[in-house]
Amino acid sequence: NAGVTQTPKFQVLKTGQSMTLQCAQDMNHEYMSWYRQDPGMGLRLIHYSVGAGITDQGEVPNGYNVSRSTTEDFPLRLLSAAPSQTSVYFCASSYSKFPGELFFGEGSRLTVL
Amino acid sequence: AQSVSQHNHHVILSEAASLELGCNYSYGGTVNLFWYVQYPGQHLQLLLKYFSGDPLVKGIKGFEAEFIKSKFSFNLRKPSVQWSDTAEYFCAAGDPYSGAGSYQLTFGKGTKLSVIP
Repeated sequence: NAGVTQTPKFQVLKTGQSMTLQCAQDMNHEYMSWYRQDPGMGLRLIHYSVGAGITDQGEVPNGYNVSRSTTEDFPLRLLSAAPSQTSVYFCASSYSKFPGELFFGEGSRLTVL
Repeated sequence: AQSVSQHNHHVILSEAASLELGCNYSYGGTVNLFWYVQYPGQHLQLLLKYFSGDPLVKGIKGFEAEFIKSKFSFNLRKPSVQWSDTAEYFCAAGDPYSGAGSYQLTFGKGTKLSVIP
């Protein structure tokens, strides 16, 4: 079972560059979300989606865009990378009936120079 | 807004010692509570959850947690830890009545557990 797949696993960017972190799940989950994990800060919700065509902001949405054109995919876009966006990013999904029972991807470590 | 507090940043135990990790949440209504674990180099995975009913919930790998409503707490326990329990543990809370369209899970900052053989 693939579960939640994130790509790339590692990425180095220069300030001002843009990139997209990909997330795909094969469990037909309605709910998908992006978190960032920083030392001593735990996980903070960036954006989430409850179904295709529906997205909403979480706790720390600035500097990030998302879209949900299909149930399977939920890409996260950094429009103009900043050093403050250096972090580990996790994509997670769940059934809408049990929205707190998250299945996480393996993470994407992003460094912005 | 909800907040989740984990009191210990880093806990170091010897094998066979008992474990209790503290978690408090700030929300007066009904709440869903979770513990997630992140083993070194791996992604987070669900350890146990509380939705309603028996306040003592059992999870995988011998872990359990007790929901004490009067104390707004959901502490994680294990009677005897093993070296393989070395990991970071995250407590999380969600509002079950926020609706599927706005459900958000709030995580604590995590507690690192190091178990010495």
